[in-house]
Amino acid sequence: NAGVTQTPKFRILKIGQSMTLQCTQDMNHNYMYWYRQDPGMGLKLIYYSVGAGITDKGEVPNGYNVSRSTTEDFPLRLELAAPSQTSVYFCASGETSGIFYNEQFFGPGTRLTVL
Amino acid sequence: QQPVQSPQAVILREGEDAVINCSSSKALYSVHWYRQKHGEAPVFLMILLKGGEQKGHDKISASFNEKKQQSSLYLTASQLSYSGTYFCGTGGSQGNLIFGKGTKLSVKP
Repeated sequence: NAGVTQTPKFRILKIGQSMTLQCTQDMNHNYMYWYRQDPGMGLKLIYYSVGAGITDKGEVPNGYNVSRSTTEDFPLRLELAAPSQTSVYFCASGETSGIFYNEQFFGPGTRLTVL
Repeated sequence: QQPVQSPQAVILREGEDAVINCSSSKALYSVHWYRQKHGEAPVFLMILLKGGEQKGHDKISASFNEKKQQSSLYLTASQLSYSGTYFCGTGGSQGNLIFGKGTKLSVKP
């Protein structure tokens, strides 16, 4: 199993450009998450999904959009990139064996710089 | 609301013990612990649930005090491999966690 894969690994955007960060998991997990991590800081949840066709906002959703058409894929779309979106983006998928009981597996991350 | 972790950083010698605390101003139903090494993705360590159930690492233990809304992670006989930043996460029933700012642990030979 490859686990959670993310592409690209690095990207530099100009202000106002748009891009899609790709995330794919091969563990058949229903739960998927997008986080951002600024230097020296913790993880902030952007969006999450509990299954195909279902998404919900996290702590910091502004400036981002997501979709979940399949169990495997959970792309994150940045519209009109701003310097404040410079960060490392992690995708994660989760399995659960009960309510609140959710172990998350993280992808390697995408390092995004907006200039 | 973001849980508060303490200390912010700790330096240990191999073999020493450490405790990392995570406190919340809201009622806790679960606390999740992750470790992140520099330049890598976070890795799951433990989940503690209200009621005492827990799942996780076999060399790291933790406690969950529901009344104090606090969890503590106990690292005993630390090894070099324990170095990294430890994050606690609290929150939703669907894994929609709010993470603390992290505690940086450095283990020296």
